[in-house]
Amino acid sequence: DVVMTQSPLSLSVTPGEPASISCRSSQSLLHDNRHTYLDWYLQRPGQSPQLLIFLTSNRASGVPDRFSGSGSGADFTLEISRVEAEDVGVYFCMQSLQTPHTFGQGTRLDI
Amino acid sequence: QVQLQESGPGLVKPSETLSLTCTVSGSSFTIFYWTWIRQSPGKGLEWIGSLSDTGTPNYNPSFNNRVSMSRDTSKSQFSLRLTSVTVADTAIYYCARGRGTYSWGRGILVTVSS
Repeated sequence: DVVMTQSPLSLSVTPGEPASISCRSSQSLLHDNRHTYLDWYLQRPGQSPQLLIFLTSNRASGVPDRFSGSGSGADFTLEISRVEAEDVGVYFCMQSLQTPHTFGQGTRLDI
Repeated sequence: QVQLQESGPGLVKPSETLSLTCTVSGSSFTIFYWTWIRQSPGKGLEWIGSLSDTGTPNYNPSFNNRVSMSRDTSKSQFSLRLTSVTVADTAIYYCARGRGTYSWGRGILVTVSS
């Protein structure tokens, strides 16, 4: 199975400041079709995960543009340009290049 | 907008079978993949398996052949069966649409306890 490793595991950020989360996979997530199969999800307290970023760098519908994803191969980053109170929760990366799809441990963001 | 709702018993006894159903609304059913994922404090998020758009299952080998999935296209429902459960199977079970880039249901807590 592809192992996903996130860092840091927790993050405390002042509103208006930036935040960055790293995700590394145990193998490249680049498919022959040139897409890189890495998604980011946010799980707010008491809720199910919701999609933020798909295929490494594409924001899902309705996601504010302060969220951005980048990376390639096996090294990825989620950045929040200016953290807001509603961004509190746990952020997960997930690979869907091969089954079983696997998730990072999660990064808890607090304000 | 797709909505997914998990249903089933919230309490299952050890060695018995966990059975859950996911009811889908607001989405075409037969053109998408449908997936089960669970979340527990000990193991985090685990992909259990999925049904393809043609109904072909793909299971996570780590469940050691305890998993089966099926669908009822006439009801826009798909189901999960997990046999021989133990306390380690206690988790929130989510159904989701997709083969990645998931849209998730709200989840259902299933506790395995005698």
